[in-house]
Amino acid sequence: GAGVSQSPSNKVTEKGKDVELRCDPISGHTALYWYRQSLGQGLEFLIYFQGNSAPDKSGLPSDRFSAERTGGSVSTLTIQRTQQEDSAVYLCASSPAGGDYNEQFFGPGTRLTVL
Amino acid sequence: GDSVTQMEGPVTLSEEAFLTINCTYTATGYPSLFWYVQYPGEGLQLLLKATKADDKGSNKGFEATYRKETTSFHLEKGSVQVSDSAVYFCALSGGSYIPTFGRGTSLIVHP
Repeated sequence: GAGVSQSPSNKVTEKGKDVELRCDPISGHTALYWYRQSLGQGLEFLIYFQGNSAPDKSGLPSDRFSAERTGGSVSTLTIQRTQQEDSAVYLCASSPAGGDYNEQFFGPGTRLTVL
Repeated sequence: GDSVTQMEGPVTLSEEAFLTINCTYTATGYPSLFWYVQYPGEGLQLLLKATKADDKGSNKGFEATYRKETTSFHLEKGSVQVSDSAVYFCALSGGSYIPTFGRGTSLIVHP
């Protein structure tokens, strides 16, 4: 079956512009996560959705970052007024339900480059 | 809070060598433990997992045993292949809906 998909796969933008990153989770997965992976670094948690609500936004690095999820499915991560330090790979993952036992299914990521 | 510590890489091996990547954790309660693998240009994918003490997860020749007494979940493979070259992440999930990942260990296998 279809896995998690993300678009675009690559995005190059100029400093100060806004960008939108999209994630299509596996159908039926109620939990959705966004992570950021900078070069040579581990995963930085950004935000978690359960259905359409976000119980945990603690990882969003600044108020320039926001995310929404509609219909319990597609999610969009928006970065306003991008800065060079926002350059990274943004990974989305979904899970049948959040919790101790469930693995996460990751998308291929969106590589964001801010010039 | 929860944390996961992995050995720093890169780990460089010759084909057919024995692999160990160390992972230790700190958590309250009894977390589930995972190893994920990330091949170049791809997202992470689950390699194996264990949900309780003394469980052994295994997949594709890789193994890891949940050791509560040493709070460890070391990844091992008896004979690595060039195709195993990737970044390996140890992770735990316990008491929260947000898993905790280690920083990742890069493995490079030479022919």
